[in-house]
Parts: sequence; structure tokens; C-alpha cells
Amino acid sequence: QKEVEQDPGPLSVPEGAIVSLNCTYSNSAFQYFMWYRQYSRKGPELLMYTYSSGNKEDGRFTAQVDKSSKYISLFIRDSQPSDSATYLCAMTSNTGNQFYFGTGTSLTVIP
Amino acid sequence: EAGVTQFPSHSVIEKGQTVTLRCDPISGHDNLYWYRRVMGKEIKFLLHFVKESKQDESGMPNNRFLAERTGGTYSTLKVQPAELEDSGVYFCASSQDRTGGYGYTFGSGTRLTVV
Repeated sequence: QKEVEQDPGPLSVPEGAIVSLNCTYSNSAFQYFMWYRQYSRKGPELLMYTYSSGNKEDGRFTAQVDKSSKYISLFIRDSQPSDSATYLCAMTSNTGNQFYFGTGTSLTVIP
Repeated sequence: EAGVTQFPSHSVIEKGQTVTLRCDPISGHDNLYWYRRVMGKEIKFLLHFVKESKQDESGMPNNRFLAERTGGTYSTLKVQPAELEDSGVYFCASSQDRTGGYGYTFGSGTRLTVV
């Protein structure tokens, strides 16, 4: 069983739509949860960082963590064509020396 | 501040050859990580350096892979001899503080193709 499960998509939405991306995980030791955005031929870029359960908002992006369900989400409001990328969830435990990634969801926002 | 630099950006080698990938972390970052993404799979951890010491190499697939970080600055990852299944994108990341993984910065990766 994979540590982290993520629907690979692809996901295609019209500009302005609300996008919901999700990951589930199996390891209850995970305490830190990240969302990365990756453009083609580039490295992952940190988008959102959350510790333990709860919500975090940054502009058009909201990250949610539900540790009881082992489920994390990323919401993108008013999606823009520039949001077209692959979104990766990642998580780690308190030691933080090893990230566990989802496979990534490919998102296309159509103008 | 300069980011994490990896080179080459792309390498095509024949099975059985040797390839060396290099990573220059952000200056002052003691923690350096190597990850790999095989096509269709998730990005997976290979190993973690703290300065010049290997902190965790549990993700290294086999003894054909050798990572070094002499002097605690740049790191190299050598694959010898390369096999077809070694093809993928190799990412390097660095951070100042390893707690919780905040502050990780990834490089753009080296795309390795073994033919």
C-alpha cells in the first residue's frame, strides 16, 4: 500500500472555477503537510505548508488537513490559466528528513 | 539568493555506462536531500545529508548508487553501471532546518534517460 494516494487526474476546468485537489494517507505519524506546484521541466515549488489539523488560507489557496480521516485538500478559488501545473501533496513526520509524495494531479485551467 | 542548482539538466547514456549528477544547494543550507521520480510514479526519497554526513540513505535503491558531499557543500550522485530502470528525474533539495521539512527548496532536476 502506498503511503500517500493522490488522484492523478488530469483535471481540466474553465477559468474562474473552484478547484479541489485531495490526498489520503495511511501513516498516522505524519504531522506536516505540504502542497507543491510543479511546472513542466521545473522542480516542485512550495505552495502551502500546514502543521497538524486545520485550515490555512493564502490568497486564492486554502489547504485543509483532517488528521482523523487522514485526508488533506487544496482548494484554488478563481482559478487562472497560470495555475495550470501539476500539484503534488507531500507529508512528513516530526523528524522531517523524508517527504512522502503523492503522484501529483495535472491541472489545466482553460481561458 | 541563488536557488538549488542541478546539472546536467538532461543526460542520455547507454546501459552499463556511468553518470554523475551534481547538486549545488543554497549557500548555508546544511541539509541536502536527493529524490527521484520514475515515470508514472511518485517522487521518492533517496537520501539525506547533514553537512558532509549521510543522515539517512534508506531510500537508495542498490549499491550502484553512490552519493557524496565532500566538504559539506555540493553533492554528487553517481550511478555505476546504469540500468534501464534508473531512468527518471533526479531532484535535489536543500534546507537550513530539517524540522518538519519547512524551507525545503528543490532544484529543477536532472532528467536521466538510460537506453
